[in-house]
Amino acid sequence: ETGVTQSPTHLIKTRGQQVTLRCSSQSGHNTVSWYQQALGQGPQFIFQYYREEENGRGNFPPRFSGLQFPNYSSELNVNALELDDSALYLCASSLMTGPDTDTQYFGPGTRLTVL
Amino acid sequence: DAKTTQPPSMDCAEGRAANLPCNHSTISGNEYVYWYRQIHSQGPQYIIHGLKNNETNEMASLIITEDRKSSTLILPHATLRDTAVYYCIVFYGGSQGNLIFGKGTKLSVKP
Repeated sequence: ETGVTQSPTHLIKTRGQQVTLRCSSQSGHNTVSWYQQALGQGPQFIFQYYREEENGRGNFPPRFSGLQFPNYSSELNVNALELDDSALYLCASSLMTGPDTDTQYFGPGTRLTVL
Repeated sequence: DAKTTQPPSMDCAEGRAANLPCNHSTISGNEYVYWYRQIHSQGPQYIIHGLKNNETNEMASLIITEDRKSSTLILPHATLRDTAVYYCIVFYGGSQGNLIFGKGTKLSVKP
């Protein structure tokens, strides 16, 4: 059974640039959730994707967007990067079999630094 | 905001049981209690979850009080590798994936 993987591991960008982060779901999972974790804080929910559509969103501006592909992998895109976007970005996969989402399993994260 | 309250830090001697408390007095009937831990700069690791009954797996035991207003995560024989931040989260699957993390408990296991 393959776990959740994320790429890249680390990334450095400058303010105003755009970034794409990638996530591969755990085998058998159909749902992906993205979280942002600033230094010293707990992870904060950005959004969830199920069946290639956004299924819920936290308090993040529209410049945070995502995609889910038919193989259930996912991308997080952030436009017009700001210094405060520097954080660990976490992807979690789960299996949704009905109205409820099962246990989420996290990947190792992508550390984004915005200069 | 997180619906749970945890002590900010705890110490435990290596080889002893670590008992991590969590208060969730406003938990709803369809919400589960989940525990995750996060070792420095890594992704959170799922530990265990439960609804009403006590649960045990290869990592830990979860004790939920009868009124479901609090719970305790038990690591039976703590090792140095169990040093991490432990998060207690109440979660309903229908909340569209939104795990709400609080500040957690920093557990330090000492030799």
